[in-house]
Amino acid sequence: GDSVTQMEGPVTLSEEAFLTINCTYTATGYPSLFWYVQYPGEGLQLLLKATKADDKGSNKGFEATYRKETTSFHLEKGSVQVSDSAVYFCALKSGGSNYKLTFGKGTLLTVNP
Amino acid sequence: DAGVIQSPRHEVTEMGQEVTLRCKPISGHNSLFWYRQTMMRGLELLIYFNNNVPIDDSGMPEDRFSAKMPNASFSTLKIQPSEPRDSAVYFCASTLAGEKLFFGSGTQLSVL
Repeated sequence: GDSVTQMEGPVTLSEEAFLTINCTYTATGYPSLFWYVQYPGEGLQLLLKATKADDKGSNKGFEATYRKETTSFHLEKGSVQVSDSAVYFCALKSGGSNYKLTFGKGTLLTVNP
Repeated sequence: DAGVIQSPRHEVTEMGQEVTLRCKPISGHNSLFWYRQTMMRGLELLIYFNNNVPIDDSGMPEDRFSAKMPNASFSTLKIQPSEPRDSAVYFCASTLAGEKLFFGSGTQLSVL
């Protein structure tokens, strides 16, 4: 079945540091890939997405590139801010489903001033 | 837009009691999801409704869990009887036939 594997957290960085959160997946067909972010006390919200191989999703300085050959969708940001502190979830929607998102377990990011 | 509204935000109850969680999706959205979030298992899809009809309830843990969507603007998730292992954050999410889910703020359930 479909699955998403994220790097274990927590990740702690200083402000302006470079961020990478690794995500790999297993899926049937050609999935769409997503990063969702959950700020403390809130629900998840979509951060970025990519729907086909080599697509790059980007938003708020975050980027992730859909790599079919390595089945990966790593999240990166060149310079993190304290306000980026949150839990980040990688997710996929299999090409065989029109609704079901499979989420990774989440990675807690803490950015210190 | 008010977003997806869930109530209550926090619920503390004793084992054996009935618990009802409520959700109001975003107006105009035709798909609604209930998820459960725990440290051990992460986010799990419990049930999915499309146009108020349950399409996939394969994630509902057992008969103690039930969900309804009597109309396009309201859904409930009921646990009866509740058990300590049901303690989790329960999220409702909605979408308009798309890939972007809009999540509510969740209900933190503690069963003592």
